[in-house]
Amino acid sequence: AAGVIQSPRHLIKEKRETATLKCYPIPRHDTVYWYQQGPGQDPQFLISFYEKMQSDKGSIPDRFSAQQFSDYHSELNMSSLELGDSALYFCASSLDRGYEQYFGPGTRLTVT
Amino acid sequence: QQQVKQSPQSLIVQKGGISIINCAYENTAFDYFPWYQQFPGKGPALLIAIRPDVSEKKEGRFTISFNKSAKQFSLHIMDSQPGDSATYFCAASMMGATNKLIFGTGTLLAVQP
Repeated sequence: AAGVIQSPRHLIKEKRETATLKCYPIPRHDTVYWYQQGPGQDPQFLISFYEKMQSDKGSIPDRFSAQQFSDYHSELNMSSLELGDSALYFCASSLDRGYEQYFGPGTRLTVT
Repeated sequence: QQQVKQSPQSLIVQKGGISIINCAYENTAFDYFPWYQQFPGKGPALLIAIRPDVSEKKEGRFTISFNKSAKQFSLHIMDSQPGDSATYFCAASMMGATNKLIFGTGTLLAVQP
């Protein structure tokens, strides 16, 4: 079965640079969630979209923005990167804001 | 503060034994409680989930026990295998504009052969 696709899988950036992470949800899924997971920590909710509209916002820095496009894929844009932004970024998708969320393999962002 | 508390932080079990991980929550508005399994460098994988109107749910070797009055739920892994060695996260969410997941702090399980 098709799963959530994330790209790139690994990304190395320098401080103050910009990064763009992409997420392609499971086909027919219309809800996308972004989570950040620091080393040895649990995933923390950043932001979610349903039918291309932002549905909820968590502890996402103002330097980050995201959107969901007409084909339901989503992009997380991160600017003025800081060392503390180094983490695994996961995208998850669900159908019609359903309970079951399926996670992608993640993007490992390293800021040097 | 951590809305979902998970224990133990780490667990070592012998092959064939039972692994038990516990979680507790405060917000009674939570109405969905999933468990996720995560291997190093991989995304969390949905393992099993329960709604509060059910006290137990079993899928293969995995069982969730739910105590609504105590606001606690637990994961039992029967006949634990070395391949079960991973980090397990409990989580909670509530139906609304979004079903964002609130995760516990995770339990690192090691099953020794």
